[in-house]
Amino acid sequence: DIQMTQSPSSLSASVGDRATITCRASQSISTYLNWYQQKPGKAPKLLIYAASSLQSGVPSRFSGSGSGTDFTLTISSLQPEDFATYYCQQRYSTPYTFGRGTKLEIK
Amino acid sequence: QVQLQESGPGLVKPSETLSLTCTVSGGSISSNYWSWIRQSAGKGLEWIGRIYPSGNTNYNPSLKSRVTMSVDTSKNQFSLKLSSVTAADTAVYYCAEDTDTYWGQGTLVTVSS
Repeated sequence: DIQMTQSPSSLSASVGDRATITCRASQSISTYLNWYQQKPGKAPKLLIYAASSLQSGVPSRFSGSGSGTDFTLTISSLQPEDFATYYCQQRYSTPYTFGRGTKLEIK
Repeated sequence: QVQLQESGPGLVKPSETLSLTCTVSGGSISSNYWSWIRQSAGKGLEWIGRIYPSGNTNYNPSLKSRVTMSVDTSKNQFSLKLSSVTAADTAVYYCAEDTDTYWGQGTLVTVSS
């Protein structure tokens, strides 16, 4: 299985800050990477697919980059509704695997 | 707008079989892969597997010996069976369309006697 390592596991930031979350795959996955946002009691919501493509309806302050083994999710200016947990997922080969998550908290 | 809804028992006894159904509305089940994913405090998000309406499946090797998925196109439903459950199978179970755009709300299944 491909292992996905996210960092940091938690991040404290303020409204208006820029937030960056990284994800590293244990082998090259090209750009077969998704990013999700999850709020308590809700299903994960797809934000970014194919490493850098913004899902329809997702604000443009979210962006993704990377290829191969190293990927980044950036939120350019944090809004109150962005405080949640974020996960990466590789879709290069089954079993599709997820990172352990990054909890973004309000400072 | 495609919507998915999981249904099934919320409590299953150890060694028994967990059975869940996902009903798809607002779209046809006949033209995509459909997935099951679970989330527990201990293991985070875990992809269980997926099924195509033709019956073609891909299962997570860690669960393959215990998992069976099926699809009923006449009811626009697909199902998950997980046999010989233990407390480690306690989780929120989600069904999703395979591109992960659409997810069900999730259903908590607890394994306990």
